[in-house]
Amino acid sequence: DVKVTQSSRYLVKRTGEKVFLECVQDMDHENMFWYRQDPGLGLRLIYFSYDVKMKEKGDIPEGYSVSREKKERFSLILESASTNQTSMYLCASRQQGTIANTQYFGPGTRLTVL
Amino acid sequence: LAKTTQPISMDSYEGQEVNITCSHNNIATNDYITWYQQFPSQGPRFIIQGYKTKVTNEVASLFIPADRKSSTLSLPRVSLSDTAVYYCLVGRNTGTASKLTFGTGTRLQVTL
Repeated sequence: DVKVTQSSRYLVKRTGEKVFLECVQDMDHENMFWYRQDPGLGLRLIYFSYDVKMKEKGDIPEGYSVSREKKERFSLILESASTNQTSMYLCASRQQGTIANTQYFGPGTRLTVL
Repeated sequence: LAKTTQPISMDSYEGQEVNITCSHNNIATNDYITWYQQFPSQGPRFIIQGYKTKVTNEVASLFIPADRKSSTLSLPRVSLSDTAVYYCLVGRNTGTASKLTFGTGTRLQVTL
């Protein structure tokens, strides 16, 4: 069974704080993703990493950065949190080269920025 | 990505079989059909995937007709814990950043 874990289920931060969201997968997947999910907007891709130290911007990268120093770990960083970054953040992983694009998700982190 | 259409909501009693149908008229030759389940405040969970005919696992069955323009997720003997949103996705890995596009899904409510 693929297991993707996220460091926190719930997080409350203040505007301007630097926020770190951690994601770890145990299936040796090369690809990892960060999404945010908001009501009525579905899932939106923030960043994607196709291998260690490799990253690509997704659809909404502004205000975020990422770090992938080890294959199993993908971190999302909010440099200066703002209230419009209050959302559910989802991490996913995928095996490189799979035709079907099956992604495995973590439980999510519900972030509230006050 | 092929557009999918599925019912917004469904209700069922515990112990019944539930079938959720998804339409995907413009599915491409190399596209796969994948279903995810999502509970409130949790990430989507992969349930089942298929390309054609029938696929069965310990959780569900997926029926895909020969023309592949629709598919049906079948949940045998649902329980209260199957109450969730079910998403049908159609697509394939087209490159490094192939993202998943979730629609509104089908909200299944199971009651006693």
